[in-house]
Amino acid sequence: EVQLVESGGGLVKPGGSLRLSCEASGFTFSTYDMNWVRQAPGKGLEWVSSISKSNSYIFYGDSVKGRFTVSRDNAKSSLFLEMSDLRADDTAVYYCVRERTGGWLDYWGQGTLVTVSS
Amino acid sequence: QVVLTQSPSASASEGASVTLTCTLSSGHSSDSIAWLQQRPDRGPRYLMKVSSDGNYKKGDGISDRFSGSSSGAERYLTISTLQSDDEGDYYCQTWGTGFHVFGGGTRLTVL
Repeated sequence: EVQLVESGGGLVKPGGSLRLSCEASGFTFSTYDMNWVRQAPGKGLEWVSSISKSNSYIFYGDSVKGRFTVSRDNAKSSLFLEMSDLRADDTAVYYCVRERTGGWLDYWGQGTLVTVSS
Repeated sequence: QVVLTQSPSASASEGASVTLTCTLSSGHSSDSIAWLQQRPDRGPRYLMKVSSDGNYKKGDGISDRFSGSSSGAERYLTISTLQSDDEGDYYCQTWGTGFHVFGGGTRLTVL
C-alpha cells in the first residue's frame, strides 16, 4: 500500500523558517518524481514544487521561488521542503504527492499544517 | 500557461447521477487532465486521468460509479448512483514541463 506521511508543520513567525519532511513507503521511491502541493484554509490547491526522481530537475511555483528549497533522499525514501522567509500567505496544509510518468498526481499524503503568524 | 475552469458548485439527489465539467483554456484542447476528490477534512484522492479522446484510467480501488469522458476542450467526471459520501470538493489537474495546474474546484452537495 502506497503511503506518504508528512511531518514538520507548526506555528512559525513571519520571516521564520521551517522544514517539512515526507516519508514514503509501499513503492520504489527512487523511480518517481515527487511534488509538494499546498492548500490555504478554505481555498483550492496550489502546486508548490517538483523534484525529479534523480534530482536532475527541480521546479518551483512563482509564489515560493527563492524562498523554498525541495530535496530528496532516495536511500531513505524521503522528500523534504525547506521553507524560509515565511509569510502569512504561506499558511496552508502542505501535501506530499507522487507523480506518475506522464504528469498526473496519483497519491497524496494527509498533509501537515503550517501556520505563519505573530 | 494553461488555465482550468470549473463551476464552483453542483448538487444532485442521492441515487441520481451528476456530471462535473473541467474546461481547458484556449490552445490546450488536446491536453489530458486528472480528477481528484477531496472529502471534508481529508487529503485529495486521485480518481482518474482523462485524455482528449475520452479514454480514462482510474486509480486503484475507484468505484465503477465514477467515469470520465471528453468533448473538445471539456473534460467530464460522471458519478452515478450518488451516495452521501460522494459529497466534497472535486478538482481537475493538468501538467506541463515543470508545472502543475489545478482548477478552482467544484463543491458537490448530495441532497
